[in-house]
This record gives sequence, structure tokens and C-alpha cells, in this order.
Amino acid sequence: EIMMTQTPATLSASPGERVTLSCRASQRINSDLAWYQQKPGQTPRLLIYDASTRATTIPARFSGSGSGTEFTLTISSLQSDDFAIYYCQQYFNWPSLWTFGQGTKVEIK
Amino acid sequence: EVQLVESGGGLVKPGGSLRLSCVVSGFTFSSYTMIWVRQAPGKGPEWVSSVSSMSVYIDYADSVKGRFTISRDNTQNSLYLQMNSLRAEDTAVYYCARVKDFDSSKTPFDYWGQGTLVTVSS
Repeated sequence: EIMMTQTPATLSASPGERVTLSCRASQRINSDLAWYQQKPGQTPRLLIYDASTRATTIPARFSGSGSGTEFTLTISSLQSDDFAIYYCQQYFNWPSLWTFGQGTKVEIK
Repeated sequence: EVQLVESGGGLVKPGGSLRLSCVVSGFTFSSYTMIWVRQAPGKGPEWVSSVSSMSVYIDYADSVKGRFTISRDNTQNSLYLQMNSLRAEDTAVYYCARVKDFDSSKTPFDYWGQGTLVTVSS
């Protein structure tokens, strides 16, 4: 099974700041990586897929990069609506095709 | 508008059974691989099971293999999860989800239901 490790577990930042979240895969997954945002009491929302493609309606301040085993999600200017938990997910490996990281919580500093 | 609505969750004793349902609308259900994902309190999501559009390919996470059974009825736009021999560690919100690229497995999930809570406790 491919393990996904996210760092940091918690990130404290102020509105307007640029923040970078990291995700590492235990083996190479090409660019088969997605990022999700989850707010309290809500369903995860797809932000980024194929490591760097924004999903429909996702603002341009969200960007993803990386391939192989190292990936990042960058929020260029943090908005109040962005305080949430972010999960990475790989979809490279069959049959345990989808595994998630444990999440990074972005909280208000 | 794409909608996925789960039902069937509740409180069950260890060793008991539950059957979850997910009714979908707003897209051609019979074209998509469908997924069950669960999320335990304070934890990240965990893929549970998947079924391809025509039920040819079915997979389970090791943690539920032999206890859970996924199925679908394309005539009813419905997805199911039969859960037997439930354990305390199965306690979670269970979501049904759709893969983004129809009938593909190398793709993330673009639509999720609101989830149904399953609590396994004596």
C-alpha cells in the first residue's frame, strides 16, 4: 500500500499570507495526486487533480506542483474562507487505488 | 445538479449488520465507477470499496474485505454497502462518491454525498 505523509500537521497563518503544504508518497506515483479541502461539518471538496490541474470553480490562488513522490499545494494569498483541513490523495496504485494523507490543518494565526 | 444522498446509518452493536444506500441524480449513473469512503472522527478519509459501472470490477480495502459487500442498481441509480460483522473501528461517517472520469479508476473523486454516520458500540 502506498502511504501518503503530509506536513506540517497544523499550519498557523494570517490572511494574505502565502502558504505551502507538503505531501510525500512512499513510492513514485507519477502525477496521480489530488488535493481536497474540508471544512468542519462539510464534505471534502476536490481542489487539484493530476498534481497541478485546478478543479472546476477553484480559484487561481490555489496551485499544485510536483511529481514522483514530492508534492505541494500553495495558496498564494490566504483568504478567511481557506481555513480548513487539506488532504492529499493518490490514485496511482491498483488495487488499493486510493489512499489519503492524514491532513494539514490551516488555522488562523 | 449532481446529487448523492446516503442513508442507512445508525447505532449498531459489535458483530451487527447495516446496509447503506446512496441514491444519485444529475448524471448518468450507469457510466461511472462509484466509491464508498469513510471518515472516522478526527481522521482523514479512507477508501472502503469501489464498483465499476457495470459491476465488473469490485475492490475492497483490506480493513473491510470479507465483511462488506458493495453493489449497485443502475436501474434505480443506487449504490449500496452491506456491512456485516461490524467492529468498533468501523465507526465513521460513510460517504458515497463519484470518480471524476467516468468508468476510470485512475482518477480522484469529484462529487461526494453528505455522508451517513455509522456508530458501532455496545
